[in-house]
Amino acid sequence: ILNVEQSPQSLHVQEGDSTNFTCSFPSSNFYALHWYRWETAKSPEALFVMTLNGDEKKKGRISATLNTKEGYSYLYIKGSQPEDSATYLCALPGAGNNRKLIWGLGTSLAVNP
Amino acid sequence: DTGVSQNPRHKITKRGQNVTFRCDPISEHNRLYWYRQTLGQGPEFLTYFQNEAQLEKSRLLSDRFSAERPKGSFSTLEIQRTEQGDSAMYLCASSLGSTAQETQYFGPGTRLLVL
Repeated sequence: ILNVEQSPQSLHVQEGDSTNFTCSFPSSNFYALHWYRWETAKSPEALFVMTLNGDEKKKGRISATLNTKEGYSYLYIKGSQPEDSATYLCALPGAGNNRKLIWGLGTSLAVNP
Repeated sequence: DTGVSQNPRHKITKRGQNVTFRCDPISEHNRLYWYRQTLGQGPEFLTYFQNEAQLEKSRLLSDRFSAERPKGSFSTLEIQRTEQGDSAMYLCASSLGSTAQETQYFGPGTRLLVL
């Protein structure tokens, strides 16, 4: 059974702070890792797809890294802004053709102005 | 807007009633997924379609749940004889392909409250 864990569960930071979250997963049978941002009352928004060990992806102030050998991915936000407040979820597709996503519980980020 | 849409956004119903949700995926996406998220949990897989064929159903999907995707376009999820435990956010997602790297694009969800 694929177990995806995220930490911390929640985070409160001040505007301008940089922050990071962790997504941990079993290192065996890795296919890909997806990061999503989910703001209240909106659709979950895809941020990154990570596939190769050592991958680094960047989108504006947000970046992500991947270590498949030790089974973790970090998501970084540089200079947090209030509009970054959201829940950040990671998900991994399970084995098999269905590609259903197995999700962590998410990290809830609140950025205070 | 060419994203995934879901209707209704909110549904309040009494226990024992039937409810139906609709999902309109991104056109030409041949895969469509339904997930459910309950309070404090991450989303959980319910079922998925490849075009019009429903290829897998989770054990979470009891006999009271049925999903269809006629003509491989929009999909409906029906819950019969709703129970309070069905209260959750129901999410729909679509994807173009079937690789592990393929992004699943999500709708805003339908929040169901069963009284």
